[in-house]
Amino acid sequence: EVLLVESGGGLVQPGGSLRISCAASGFTFGSYEMNWVRQAPGKGLEWISYISSTGGTTHYADSVKGRFSISRDNAKNSLNLQMNGLRAEDTAFYYCTTDFHVTLVRGLPQGIDYWGHGTLVTVSS
Amino acid sequence: DIQMTQSPSSLSTSVGDRVILTCRASQNISIYVNWYQQKPGKAPKLLIYSASSLQSGVPSRFSGSGSGTDFTLTISSLQPGDFATYYCQQRYTAPRYTFGQGTKLENK
Repeated sequence: EVLLVESGGGLVQPGGSLRISCAASGFTFGSYEMNWVRQAPGKGLEWISYISSTGGTTHYADSVKGRFSISRDNAKNSLNLQMNGLRAEDTAFYYCTTDFHVTLVRGLPQGIDYWGHGTLVTVSS
Repeated sequence: DIQMTQSPSSLSTSVGDRVILTCRASQNISIYVNWYQQKPGKAPKLLIYSASSLQSGVPSRFSGSGSGTDFTLTISSLQPGDFATYYCQQRYTAPRYTFGQGTKLENK
């Protein structure tokens, strides 16, 4: 069974830092590109960061560029997001996701798209 | 950035209804659209990829169509478990994805 389990969320003051993580199991983590997607309470989905399977390529949404840093440890099957300079508007559930792709399963195409359950980050004084 | 605009933002519907949700991209994105269903307190679930391909395990009452800038998600006969929020997502500029703002299906 594929599992993505986020951890590390919590309450942090504006301007503070937080590191959230995602523990992966049930698939070959080191072969998958990964993303972080967030969702403010009661709001829509926002992609915020991507990392290639080796960690050599990263991308960020403009809203977090320069403040957030994505990384991974393939030996430990873990994905991380270091968040600095946090703002009230960063308050959200943060989801770890595999990067979507299509593969063949028993000869038939299937979309591969796994999501964790999310971890809540609250930025407030 | 490519903007994805969904309509309507909410829809009052009933079990058995045929439901059509729309999503418009701000530029041509070919067929690079996914559709997701999200229920309260849960992660989004992939329903449709590449505009019209049904994800494995998703009931056949869900279907997608469109290309270019205009896309639709159709639920042929709404079931009780289908009351949820639906999001479209463009993959044309992968991995810089953007989502629509969502359409919430409410029980009339």
